[in-house]
Amino acid sequence: SAVISQKPSRDICQRGTSLTIQCQVDSQVTMMFWYRQQPGQSLTLIATANQGSEATYESGFVIDKFPISRPNLTFSTLTVSNMSPEDSSIYLCSVEKGDRGRGYFGPGTRLTVL
Amino acid sequence: ILNVEQSPQSLHVQEGDSTNFTCSFPSSNFYALHWYRWETAKSPEALFVMTLNGDEKKKGRISATLNTKEGYSYLYIKGSQPEDSATYLCAFKGSRRDDKIIFGKGTRLHILP
Repeated sequence: SAVISQKPSRDICQRGTSLTIQCQVDSQVTMMFWYRQQPGQSLTLIATANQGSEATYESGFVIDKFPISRPNLTFSTLTVSNMSPEDSSIYLCSVEKGDRGRGYFGPGTRLTVL
Repeated sequence: ILNVEQSPQSLHVQEGDSTNFTCSFPSSNFYALHWYRWETAKSPEALFVMTLNGDEKKKGRISATLNTKEGYSYLYIKGSQPEDSATYLCAFKGSRRDDKIIFGKGTRLHILP
């Protein structure tokens, strides 16, 4: 299993600013995943963060908008840059362990952009 | 484009009643189907990982079935309790090396006292 913490748990930000979300796992993992859930939408994968290499972004997401750091095997950050109201979402980090990709999730960061 | 659909989107159930909802997913390149429960302000929590056609899994009052040939899974809750109020997500994982997990939009379950 895995226990994941995230901070902040929520934030209200002004348009044009940036927010960095931190994710800490209680064990070493090769890959960490960043998701977002916009209101009324599915959990959508933003990128996969690999230790020691650049993150892999999914279609529709770019590094300039969502820079990711992965300095070691238990920690990652996601920055939401130059925010707009459309970035208002819940952001979750996740790892997969064991049983056919079973996911473990952090508690999420609820972001509101004004 | 792979699609995972869940229905209904939202459901209100009287406490004590039983209920079920559906997840449909691609019927080819199947590897696993996951069910998660996501309570407000908490992390999504895995309920079941289903891998074989015909699988039935049970955890207390909650059970799930899997049909990989037709691409659907049902989640059943027997004798609903207030603590069952949550969003239930299903997620499909394909068998190809680069396949990522794809989530449905979830079914939001409200248990009425």
